[in-house]
Order: sequence, then C-alpha cells, then structure tokens
Amino acid sequence: GQQLNQSPQSMFIQEGEDVSMNCTSSSIFNTWLWYKQEPGEGPVLLIALYKAGELTSNGRLTAQFGITRKDSFLNISASIPSDVGIYFCAGQRGTASKLTFGTGTRLQVTL
Amino acid sequence: DAGITQSPRHKVTETGTPVTLRCHQTENHRYMYWYRQDPGHGLRLIHYSYGVKDTDKGEVSDGYSVSRSKTEDFLLTLESATSSQTSVYFCATRSREGQETQYFGPGTRLLVL
Repeated sequence: GQQLNQSPQSMFIQEGEDVSMNCTSSSIFNTWLWYKQEPGEGPVLLIALYKAGELTSNGRLTAQFGITRKDSFLNISASIPSDVGIYFCAGQRGTASKLTFGTGTRLQVTL
Repeated sequence: DAGITQSPRHKVTETGTPVTLRCHQTENHRYMYWYRQDPGHGLRLIHYSYGVKDTDKGEVSDGYSVSRSKTEDFLLTLESATSSQTSVYFCATRSREGQETQYFGPGTRLLVL
C-alpha cells in the first residue's frame, strides 16, 4: 500500500531550537493530519488541515497544507524536553476517512 | 479524546491459536478502525467499520476478521495467529462525515511465538 514519505526519520536537537519536518506524497490528499506518539501510547492529534495552503497553529506548533495538496509541513518552535516522541503525518482522501500514515519522525531533545 | 479502551493491553500467544482484541468507545462515534504498527511501516489499516454490522477491509486485512454488533465495540480476530502478526494494534474512532480527525486508543501489544 501507499505510504507517505516523511523526513527526517530522526532528529536530535537541543532544548530551545526550532524543528521542521515534512511529509510528501505522489498523490493528492484532501486532509492532512499531524499526530504525536509517546512510548506505550496511541497517537494523539496535534493539528488538522483541511484546505490547500492552510496554515494552522497550536501553541508552539505550526503546520501547513501544501498548495499542491501533495505535501505538508510541521514546525515546532523553541523545543522543550516534553516534545520528545514520534511525529506522524497522515493524509486522507476518498470515502470512510481512511488515513495513510507516514513512517514517522523521531524527535529527541537534549538539555 | 473519544474514551477509547483496548483489551487486553498485552498478550502472548502461540502460532495457530485464535486471538480476539477488543476496542470499546464511550462517545457513540460512528466510525471505528483497526491499525497495526510495525517498525519502518508506520500505521497500516487492517479493517474499519462505518456502522453497526457494516465493515470493510483495509490494506493489510489478510488473516484478520472484525465484527461490530454494537456501536461501542469493535472486535478484531486473528483466526490463526502467525509470527508475522506480532505487532502493536491500535483502535481508532471518528465521529461523523466531514470530521476527518481520528482518535486513537492506547494500543495492544501482541507477541505470537
């Protein structure tokens, strides 16, 4: 099945730094979602994007729905230790809201 | 948060045995989904339900079946477990059309020996 190309696969950053990650696809999606997963837990929704070109913020997180509808970006500003986790993008198209997930970006934040 | 619980949270079983995982939600969401998560593959859809007794296959449905006899419960059955089905299984729900957000449960870690 199709997967989204998510990069980078992992990041090691210092507390206070800004983080950028992205997700690309060869197909168009109608909705882009960004999730965060911590060890032993299920993914938790961070941001949902519904329109091409849309830029949405949630605290220190900002995400954009690419104008081509084939990509999305997530930025985290002024990272803190609790930002540690795996970040997944997910795209939706078609019926029944079936999501296609990226392979994840593992974020580590050092003090 | 859709009040999703999964049981069991951990299970060890032997090859060839049937296994049933349960997902329970308290928010009366119409849509429910089962995913598996494996290293390097992210989350992949196994089966989903769009209402009581209405289910359909996802991208990795071979070896799995589902049932939904009540809105709140969605069962995933491994008819004859194999080692390739060792994984972490997540249930998710979605409330309605036009609301694409899916909410995930805490997961079930399954080991097939």
